[in-house]
Amino acid sequence: RKEVEQDPGPFNVPEGATVAFNCTYSNSASQSFFWYRQDCRKEPKLLMSVYSSGNEDGRFTAQLNRASQYISLLIRDSKLSDSATYLCVVNSVKGSQGNLIFGKGTKLSVKP
Amino acid sequence: DGGITQSPKYLFRKEGQNVTLSCEQNLNHDAMYWYRQDPGQGLRLIYYSQIVNDFQKGDIAEGYSVSREKKESFPLTVTSAQKNPTAFYLCASSGGQGFYEQYFGPGTRLTVT
Repeated sequence: RKEVEQDPGPFNVPEGATVAFNCTYSNSASQSFFWYRQDCRKEPKLLMSVYSSGNEDGRFTAQLNRASQYISLLIRDSKLSDSATYLCVVNSVKGSQGNLIFGKGTKLSVKP
Repeated sequence: DGGITQSPKYLFRKEGQNVTLSCEQNLNHDAMYWYRQDPGQGLRLIYYSQIVNDFQKGDIAEGYSVSREKKESFPLTVTSAQKNPTAFYLCASSGGQGFYEQYFGPGTRLTVT
């Protein structure tokens, strides 16, 4: 099993749609979870941290299921500006725990 | 404005030449990281440093070297020993000690021909 696995997409959705991304991670000892957003040919930017109780930031909702080692990101009322690649990120449990393991990303394209 | 800067944005080199990529941060972060990203691939960790004057190899350190003489600076040298150096190089920093969120610089696109 890969350390962090995501559906590569692309997800092509119309404006206003709700879209969900899923991610699985292999090491049950991981403690920190994030979603990053990366625009084409740009650096990744932190979108949100993922907490055990789930958390919401405007149109974005992140959920964590530790038992299934599964993380999700829900985007409601998609905007054209949401088009990007979304990276699922988990902290490493080997070497320094500050190290992060990045998924390859799921590409989202929001169409008018 | 606090942030991470990388220079240059684009870099072109001939095969066989060493090249040094700059990374500077004014966030007062303890930890700094170098990643490489190839098209359609995830980020791969090259080197990281948790504290000044100390650094560790990541998953793909061969053909690279780093230094951490100052808290603000973490330059990466791509040596001629790196077999496939053409890539997008990203520097990041984090607060360390349990603050795991990493913040990235704008990256340097290196092309070696």
